[in-house]
Amino acid sequence: ETVMTQSPTSMSTSIGERVTLNCKASQSVGINVDWYQQTPGQSPKLLIYGASNRHTGVPDRFTGSGFGRDFTLTISNMEAEDLAVYYCLQYGSIPPTFGGGTKLELK
Amino acid sequence: EVKLVESGGGLVQPGRSLKLSCAASGFNFNDYWMGWVRQAPGKGLEWIGEINKDSSTINYTPSLKDKFTISRDNAQNTLYLQMSKLGSEDTAIYYCARASLDYWGQGVMVTVSS
Repeated sequence: ETVMTQSPTSMSTSIGERVTLNCKASQSVGINVDWYQQTPGQSPKLLIYGASNRHTGVPDRFTGSGFGRDFTLTISNMEAEDLAVYYCLQYGSIPPTFGGGTKLELK
Repeated sequence: EVKLVESGGGLVQPGRSLKLSCAASGFNFNDYWMGWVRQAPGKGLEWIGEINKDSSTINYTPSLKDKFTISRDNAQNTLYLQMSKLGSEDTAIYYCARASLDYWGQGVMVTVSS
């Protein structure tokens, strides 16, 4: 099973800040990585698929990148509505596996 | 609008079984693989499994393969998750989703406790 390790586990941010979240796979998964956003009490929402493609309706301040083992989600201009937990998912091997999440909080 | 609505959750005793349902609408259910994901209270996400369009292929995460069974009824646009031999470790919110995980239901809570 491919282990996905997210860093940091939590981050204090400010509105307007640029934020970078990381996800590292225990083995190469190509570009088979998605990113999800989960706000309290809500189901996860797909942000990025195939490492770098924005899902329908996702603001362009969210950017995904990476290949192989190392992946990044960048929020270019943090907004209050972006305070959430972010998860990466690999689907390059069965079973698909999620990272442990990164929680974004306000400073 | 894609809509997925789970039902069938609740409190169940350890060792018992429970069957969850997921009613789909807003898309052609027959054309999509479907799946289940769960989330224990305060924890991260765990992929449970997926089923293809005609139920001929079903994949599970290995640790749940002998306890959970995924099925579907295309005539009723409904996905199911049959859970058996439930333990406290199965207490979680269970989400139905299209297998590509692009759309999710709101989730249903299952609590395993005596």
